[in-house]
Amino acid sequence: GQNIDQPTEMTATEGAIVQINCTYQTSGFNGLFWYQQHAGEAPTFLSYNVLDGLEEKGRFSSFLSRSKGYSYLLLKELQMKDSASYLCAAGDSNYQLIWGAGTKLIIKP
Amino acid sequence: GAVVSQHPSWVICKSGTSVKIECRSLDFQATTMFWYRQFPKQSLMLMATSNEGSKATYEQGVEKDKFLINHASLTLSTLTVTSAHPEDSSFYICSASPPDRESSPLHFGNGTRLTVT
Repeated sequence: GQNIDQPTEMTATEGAIVQINCTYQTSGFNGLFWYQQHAGEAPTFLSYNVLDGLEEKGRFSSFLSRSKGYSYLLLKELQMKDSASYLCAAGDSNYQLIWGAGTKLIIKP
Repeated sequence: GAVVSQHPSWVICKSGTSVKIECRSLDFQATTMFWYRQFPKQSLMLMATSNEGSKATYEQGVEKDKFLINHASLTLSTLTVTSAHPEDSSFYICSASPPDRESSPLHFGNGTRLTVT
C-alpha cells in the first residue's frame, strides 16, 4: 500500500535548528514535496526533491534518499512565525500526491 | 507565480441547502484540479480529481451525488455540496498544477470554510 509517515508534533526553540523526517512508500515515485500550513490557511509550497541529495533554499533545506524512501525538512534559525504544520507528500506513478498527516511544529521563545 | 483563486473564503448555510465553491487557475490552464477536505487538526484528504471535459474521479467513500464537481473550462472547477448537513462543515481546498506537472508543485486556493447550521 501507499503510506507516508511523519511525526505528529515537534517542539523547538527560537533560533535553533529542527529536522522533520518523512518516510514514504508509494507505487512509483515522482518527487517529494514539503508544504507549510498555518492553522486555518491553505498549504504553501516549500520544496520539491526528485533526485537524491540536499536542496537548500534560504533557511529551509530538504533532503531526499530514494533508496531509503526517506526525506527530511531542515529549518534553521527558527522564528516564531515558523510555528505551523509541515506536510510531506510523495508523488506516485500517476503524479497523484500521497499526503502525510503533517507535523505540528511548536516554536518556543 | 501560478495562482489559484478560490471563492468564497467562508460560507455559513442552513442544513439542507446547497453551496457552490469555485476554484480558478488565474494564469495557467489546468486540465486537472483537485478537491480536498480538511477537518480540524487533520491532514488534507483528497475528495476527487476534477478533469476538464470529463467526469470527476472520486475517492473511495466520497459520495459523488452529494459533492458535485464540474470542470467546465481549463481555468474553472466548481464543487457543489448538495443538501448540506452539519457533518459537512469543514475546510475545503482546491489545487491545480500547471501543465508541466512532472516538476510543478500543486498550487492551492486559499480554501473555503463551510459551516452548516
